[in-house]
Amino acid sequence: RKEVEQDPGPFNVPEGATVAFNCTYSNSASQSFFWYRQDCRKEPKLLMSVYSSGNEDGRFTAQLNRASQYISLLIRDSKLSDSATYLCVVNRRGGADGLTFGKGTHLIIQP
Amino acid sequence: SQTIHQWPATLVQPVGSPLSLECTVEGTSNPNLYWYRQAAGRGLQLLFYSVGIGQISSEVPQNLSASRPQDRQFILSSKKLLLSDSGFYLCAWTTTGDTGYTFGSGTRLTVV
Repeated sequence: RKEVEQDPGPFNVPEGATVAFNCTYSNSASQSFFWYRQDCRKEPKLLMSVYSSGNEDGRFTAQLNRASQYISLLIRDSKLSDSATYLCVVNRRGGADGLTFGKGTHLIIQP
Repeated sequence: SQTIHQWPATLVQPVGSPLSLECTVEGTSNPNLYWYRQAAGRGLQLLFYSVGIGQISSEVPQNLSASRPQDRQFILSSKKLLLSDSGFYLCAWTTTGDTGYTFGSGTRLTVV
């Protein structure tokens, strides 16, 4: 089983729609969880951290289910500028030794 | 504010040539530093990380090496590049493992 698994997509979504991404992780000892956004040929940028209680930042909502080892990202009222690849990211052992990245879900918002 | 610099942005090198990529961080002390590689169509792979000067941990066997000669400087090197070394190399930093990492703008390396 891969450490972090995501549906690669692409997800083709009309502007204004709501879209949800899911991600599963294999290491039950993982401590920190994030969603990153990566535009074509650019570096990944932190979109939001994911907390057990769930958290929201504007149109974006992230949720974590530790029992199922499942992370989600919901984007409401999608904009053309939301088109990007969304990376699910897990801190492997809760320490300094780096993050494990999913391969990403490609989102295309259509006008 | 903290910033991370990576250069060069693009590099084309022949097989068998050496490599040196540099990353520097400003505005913080004693950061954890990382080198990642993203090959075409693949996810990010952790290559090396460092929690302090002279401390390097390697994640995968390869013909690459890393060094941290100063607190805020991280260097990725190779003595002889292979075709399979082509990819997008990203430097990242953080101060703790509980917060997100900040990436440099990356170096796109093509080995020909």
